[in-house]
Amino acid sequence: AIQMTQSPSSLSASVGDRVTISCRTSQGISNELGWYQQKPGKAPKLLIYAASILQSGVPSRFSGSGSGTHFTLTISSLQPEDFATYYCLQDHNFPRTFGQGTKLEIK
Amino acid sequence: EVQLVESGGGLVQPGGSLRLSCAASGFTFGSYEMNWVRQAPGKGLEWIAYISPTGQTIHHADSVKGRFSISRDNARSSLYLQMNSLRVEDTAVYYCARDNSLVQDYTNYNWFDPWGQGTLVTVSS
Repeated sequence: AIQMTQSPSSLSASVGDRVTISCRTSQGISNELGWYQQKPGKAPKLLIYAASILQSGVPSRFSGSGSGTHFTLTISSLQPEDFATYYCLQDHNFPRTFGQGTKLEIK
Repeated sequence: EVQLVESGGGLVQPGGSLRLSCAASGFTFGSYEMNWVRQAPGKGLEWIAYISPTGQTIHHADSVKGRFSISRDNARSSLYLQMNSLRVEDTAVYYCARDNSLVQDYTNYNWFDPWGQGTLVTVSS
């Protein structure tokens, strides 16, 4: 199974900050990776697929990049509604595997 | 509106069985791959099962292989997860998620959207 290493596991930031979350995979997966946002008590929500394609309706302050084994999710200017937990998910093969999650908290 | 609604969760004793359902609406269910994903209390997301549109191709995570079984009824627009030999560590919120795909430059991309609201399964004596 492809191992996913997401970092940091938690992050404190302020409204207006630029933040970057990293996801590394144990083997190359081209750009077959997505990013999801989850708020407490809610189902995850798709933000980005194919490493860099923004899902319809997701604000443009979210962006994704990377290919191979290293991927990043960037939020250009944090808004209050962005404080949540973020997960990466590889769709290169089965079993599908998620990163451990990054909890983004208000500083 | 595209919607997925899970049901069937509850409290069950270790070694018991439970069958989860996911009712789909607002899209042609039989045209889509589907998945089950779970989340133990306070923990991260874990993918556990996949099924192709016809049900011909199925994958399960090692953690549930031989105990859980994914299936679907396209005529009823419904996805199922039969869970047998349940363990305390299977306690989690279980989500169904539609699998979307795109082929670009000979690469097949997949992503999960939408997700259901989840149903809680508690395994305890």
